[in-house]
Amino acid sequence: EVQLLESGGDLVQPGTSLRLSCVASGFTFSNYLMTWVRQAPGKGLEWVSGSGGSDTGTKYADSVKGRFTISRDNSKNTLYLQMDSLRAEDTAVYYCAKGSYKDSYDFTNWGQGTLVTVSS
Amino acid sequence: DIQMTQSPSTLSASVGDRVTITCRASQTISSWLAWYQQKPGKAPKMLIYKSSSLQSGVPSRFSGSGSGTEFTLTISSLQPDDFATYYCQQYYTYSYTFGQGTKLEIK
Repeated sequence: EVQLLESGGDLVQPGTSLRLSCVASGFTFSNYLMTWVRQAPGKGLEWVSGSGGSDTGTKYADSVKGRFTISRDNSKNTLYLQMDSLRAEDTAVYYCAKGSYKDSYDFTNWGQGTLVTVSS
Repeated sequence: DIQMTQSPSTLSASVGDRVTITCRASQTISSWLAWYQQKPGKAPKMLIYKSSSLQSGVPSRFSGSGSGTEFTLTISSLQPDDFATYYCQQYYTYSYTFGQGTKLEIK
């Protein structure tokens, strides 16, 4: 059974940094695309960033490019999202999700989410 | 970027009804479209991928169709568990955009 468990969400001030983690189990982590999708309170889903399986590269939404960095440790089955220069508009639940293939951005499994609140 | 537009935004229906949700893409995405269901306070769940393929474990009352720019999600006979918000998503190209969502409410 695929399981994804996010952690690291917190209340932080604008301009500060935060790192999210997602521990995966139940599949060969290194072979699959892993991604972050966020949902602001009461709003829809927004794709944030993806890390391809088998070293197929990383991608970012324009809204976070240059501020967020996605990475993965395949030895630990863990996905990360380093978030710098946080803004109020980054406030959201952040979901970790698994792609259907190494470079396919359809998301077959999702974690339960972790809440990031950016406020002074 | 490709824009995804769902209609309607809200849909009121009764148990047993057949309902259809439409998703339109601002440019062609071939069949690279997925549908997700989300209940309040929960993570999204994939229902359909590649426009019409049913994800494992999803009831057969859900079906998807379409290609190019117009797509539909149909629930053949609504069950109480189906009242939720539904999102389409294109994964043809960056930036893998979602529709704004359709909230399916009990009439």
